[in-house]
Amino acid sequence: EVQLVESGGGLVKPGGSLRLSCAASGFTFSTYSMNWVRQAPGKGLEWVSSISSSSSYIYYADSVKGRFTISRDNAKNSLYLQMNSLRAEDTAVYYCARDDFWSGYDAAYRFFDYWGQGTLVTLSS
Amino acid sequence: DIQMTQSPSSLSASVGDRVTITCRASQSISSNLNWYQQKPGKAPKLLIYAASSLPSGVPSRFGGSGSGTAFTLTISSLQPEDFATYYCQQSYSTPWTFGHGTKVEI
Repeated sequence: EVQLVESGGGLVKPGGSLRLSCAASGFTFSTYSMNWVRQAPGKGLEWVSSISSSSSYIYYADSVKGRFTISRDNAKNSLYLQMNSLRAEDTAVYYCARDDFWSGYDAAYRFFDYWGQGTLVTLSS
Repeated sequence: DIQMTQSPSSLSASVGDRVTITCRASQSISSNLNWYQQKPGKAPKLLIYAASSLPSGVPSRFGGSGSGTAFTLTISSLQPEDFATYYCQQSYSTPWTFGHGTKVEI
């Protein structure tokens, strides 16, 4: 059974830092790209960052570029998000999500097929 | 960035109703469109991928259609467990973007 378990959330002051972790099990972690997606209280979903299976390709949303760093340790089946210079608008539940794809006849189609339960990050002075 | 626009933002329906939610992309995304269902306090769940494909375990009352810029999620006969918020998401190009969600309520 695929499981993704996030941890590391909590209350932090604006300008502070936090490191989120996502422990993966039930699948061959090293062969999948992974993502962080967040959801502010009462709001919709916002993709934050992606990392390819070997960490060769990394992407960020403009809203976090230069402040957040995604990484992974395939030996530990773990995904991380280092968040620096945190702002009030970073308050959200942060989900890790597995990135899979389906090869159609003309292209590969990507989707987030498994999600963790989320970890809450709260910014408050 | 590709903008995803969902409509309506919310709807009221009854058990057994046919429900349709639309999603429009600001540019063509071919069939790179996914739908997710989210219940309160829970993580999103993949409902439809590649515009019209159902993952294993998703009931056949859910259906997706469309390509290019216009997409539709249809629930053929609404069940009590389907009351939730539904999001579309494009996977054509980064940044991956989501619609703002459609809340389906009684």
